Amino acid sequence: QSVLTQPPSASGTPGQRVTISCSGSSSNIGTKYVYWYQQLPGTAPKILIYRNNQRPSGVSDRFSGSKSGTSASLAISGLRSEDEADYYCAAWDDSLSAYVFGAGTKVTVL
Amino acid sequence: EVQVVESGGGLVQPGGSLRLSCAASGFTFSSYAMNWVRQAPGKGLEWVSGISGSGDTTYYADSVKGRFTISRDNSKNTLYLQMNSLRAEDTAVYYCAKDHTFGGVIVGDYYYMDVWGKGTTVTVSS
Repeated sequence: QSVLTQPPSASGTPGQRVTISCSGSSSNIGTKYVYWYQQLPGTAPKILIYRNNQRPSGVSDRFSGSKSGTSASLAISGLRSEDEADYYCAAWDDSLSAYVFGAGTKVTVL
Repeated sequence: EVQVVESGGGLVQPGGSLRLSCAASGFTFSSYAMNWVRQAPGKGLEWVSGISGSGDTTYYADSVKGRFTISRDNSKNTLYLQMNSLRAEDTAVYYCAKDHTFGGVIVGDYYYMDVWGKGTTVTVSS
């Protein structure tokens, strides 16, 4: 069972906005930055959002991150077919002295 | 080009051992912490272990603590994962991943992986 809780799936039609939640605790999200990774089918993960809401160069501005208290969210606006992937939230956990991932959310474009 | 390439995966019997390697290139290896992250078939990502740039600080997931050992040889730009007492639940694709932050110190709040390899597959089965 993951320390960070994500919904297993999310979906939307092209052009829609999809939001993925990530719930943690005071030992991780509550006191640490949140990171989001995208894993396209059959490929290695890629960093999508760092330090809660920062995008690496090359990442579309359709992706945005936010954090409030012990929860975080990833939003995908203007959904496209190429956004179909698994999305993982992550953070350092002080109690575990370990980096923890959420279980992942599979995004489907209908 | 910055890249990491894993090797050493294979089929091993329960209770056996295996050593994974990760060859790094295109960056100053000793200046970055490194990680192993695994993904069981059809499952999500699980961080396994991290090591500082100098190799003097290591962290492990509870699921592998006492069985796996992470190490590095900065003269060879290579990261290792020694896996002992392997179990069926260790079956996974193992990714090598570089920490983003220059300096090599593991600072939890700024810790994230910006370069990933393609992975090497470990299968534990009799």
